[in-house]
Amino acid sequence: AQSVTQLDSQVPVFEEAPVELRCNYSSSVSVYLFWYVQYPNQGLQLLLKYLSGSTLVKGINGFEAEFNKSQTSFHLRKPSVHISDTAEYFCAVSHKLSFGGYQKVTFGTGTKLQVIP
Amino acid sequence: DSGVTQTPKHLITATGQRVTLRCSPRSGDLSVYWYQQSLDQGLQFLIQYYNGEERAKGNILERFSAQQFPDLHSELNLSSLELGDSALYFCASSGGQTNTGELFFGEGSRLTVL
Repeated sequence: AQSVTQLDSQVPVFEEAPVELRCNYSSSVSVYLFWYVQYPNQGLQLLLKYLSGSTLVKGINGFEAEFNKSQTSFHLRKPSVHISDTAEYFCAVSHKLSFGGYQKVTFGTGTKLQVIP
Repeated sequence: DSGVTQTPKHLITATGQRVTLRCSPRSGDLSVYWYQQSLDQGLQFLIQYYNGEERAKGNILERFSAQQFPDLHSELNLSSLELGDSALYFCASSGGQTNTGELFFGEGSRLTVL
């Protein structure tokens, strides 16, 4: 079984300050990792993903995340946030399949990022 | 545009009624997922279908049911509606040629039960 933990339900941060949103996962098999963003009154959209290769992945809007296998973490970071980054952020994992088929996807409970002017 | 289409976008109904939400996945995607999002419960996984078959079940009430049709569109049926069923219902799809589990979400159907 796989699980995802986002310890911080809300993170307030001042505009232009750096931010880190934490995500830890557990899985008995290799995983793919994702961060999704949900802006107010909208659906979820992909921010970035780790499939393989470099452990530092860059996404849209200046966000990046680092996959740390030993700590089973995939924390999301941005060096300088803007008001427009105010949204809810979800971490998700899916396990790698050895053959084509369906994927089980597990989401964390979400972190609401509030950027303060 | 994610390529996932959900209808209706908004729905207002009364307690005790039944509604059907519809989802058309991205072209080529075989998996459809349904999620419920409310202020107090957050994003809750309801059910997943793969190529017409149920593959995973989450916190789906017995009053709710879903199915995926041969053309891969899916419907979520909510019956005997209660005030607490008011929520945003999302459909997502995945499972194209490179199936990594990346989900493509629709814009959601906002259900209000009065």
